[in-house]
Amino acid sequence: ETGVTQTPRHLVMGMTNKKSLKCEQHLGHNAMYWYKQSAKKPLELMFVYSLEERVENNSVPSRFSPECPNSSHLFLHLHTLQPEDSALYLCASSQVGLGNYNEQFFGPGTRLTVL
Amino acid sequence: GESVGLHLPTLSVQEGDNSIINCAYSNSASDYFIWYKQESGKGPQFIIDIRSNMDKRQGQRVTVLLNKTVKHLSLQIAATQPGDSAVYFCAENESNFGNEKLTFGTGTRLTIIP
Repeated sequence: ETGVTQTPRHLVMGMTNKKSLKCEQHLGHNAMYWYKQSAKKPLELMFVYSLEERVENNSVPSRFSPECPNSSHLFLHLHTLQPEDSALYLCASSQVGLGNYNEQFFGPGTRLTVL
Repeated sequence: GESVGLHLPTLSVQEGDNSIINCAYSNSASDYFIWYKQESGKGPQFIIDIRSNMDKRQGQRVTVLLNKTVKHLSLQIAATQPGDSAVYFCAENESNFGNEKLTFGTGTRLTIIP
């Protein structure tokens, strides 16, 4: 595997379900991100992990819970979602720090549908 | 708040012609800009970047121009091909050591007409 991978690629869930999205980066980066992409809206940054510590939480509802067990893996745990949470969820990674610019590499995304 | 926006949501270009996609940004502290391409069913893919101390950068068939005076960014694609059909996003980065953050525009859908 190369780059950034995400599983599952598609997910349909009911509002009472609990599910998790997984992201893995094979680039040796030290920062990982979750974004939400809805139709006709800019990419919305949800969470940032830098050196395995959460450094950003953009007022995301608590029904979304991120987890970063190591620098290569990132999870997004989902619980009691709403239909308006249906979107494409993108994971990205980058190498941050002195001398580095924030070129983020994206995974293919998980298309989430909440019924 | 700071924002990145695109002038046109859609653009259609005849195959073989050149295309220009524009982007306006508002954060004068941004030090790095990226253009991404997103094809249907895929995540955004890096195309080209430019640092704020430059006004032009060229890649293979693509050129990015940065005008800091009017806070404007453009992506030029030469000799367009059907595979160039996609949504193109600009993004700006404000350097804040240890807390890097990209802000994205809404995107322009480019359609190449055969």
